[in-house]
Amino acid sequence: ETGVTQTPRHLVMGMTNKKSLKCEQHLGHNAMYWYKQSAKKPLELMFVYSLEERVENNSVPSRFSPECPNSSHLFLHLHTLQPEDSALYLCASSRQEGGNEQFFGPGTRLTVL
Amino acid sequence: GQQVMQIPQYQHVQEGEDFTTYCNSSTTLSNIQWYKQRPGGHPVFLIQLVKSGEVKKQKRLTFQFGEAKKNSSLHITATQTTDVGTYFCAGYYGQNFVFGPGTRLSVLP
Repeated sequence: ETGVTQTPRHLVMGMTNKKSLKCEQHLGHNAMYWYKQSAKKPLELMFVYSLEERVENNSVPSRFSPECPNSSHLFLHLHTLQPEDSALYLCASSRQEGGNEQFFGPGTRLTVL
Repeated sequence: GQQVMQIPQYQHVQEGEDFTTYCNSSTTLSNIQWYKQRPGGHPVFLIQLVKSGEVKKQKRLTFQFGEAKKNSSLHITATQTTDVGTYFCAGYYGQNFVFGPGTRLSVLP
């Protein structure tokens, strides 16, 4: 595998629930990313962290809240989601932020009821 | 904003036929990367192109970067059923990294 793990692999939640997605990379990389992949849109970059600092937030609604406690772990906290937020959420890491090869995790398939 | 387009959106080929997907950017890119995503899987890095006019080969796959660094192509010779999946290009410019919508390849045995 790629050295990037994500849990859970599948998640079903109601609109009033709070849940968190977890990503861990074992590659010693300094940058980590959250992407959203839905059927009707290309891969959408949500957040970028470099050395545990957020360097990019692509106008993502506040119901998505990222957290990067260290360079190996990345979380995406979910709160009051909408059905249109149902998608595959992919985590990725790269050696440095800025055009390096990205290694993707298997993703979390999220369904919001 | 920056856009990275890919054509075609879908391609169905008979096994053994060739396949090409094209990637176009509205802005000059610093580099371009190609990824493959198998059905039910996650994107996997294939290659990165950096230089104007660069051509790289990986077995049956040939990647090109345009002279103006605004377009790229991926060509597969003699497709096999294992080539099935969606091929994404991703362009890097400034501080931004943008994926194209992908080309979904089906290979009929």
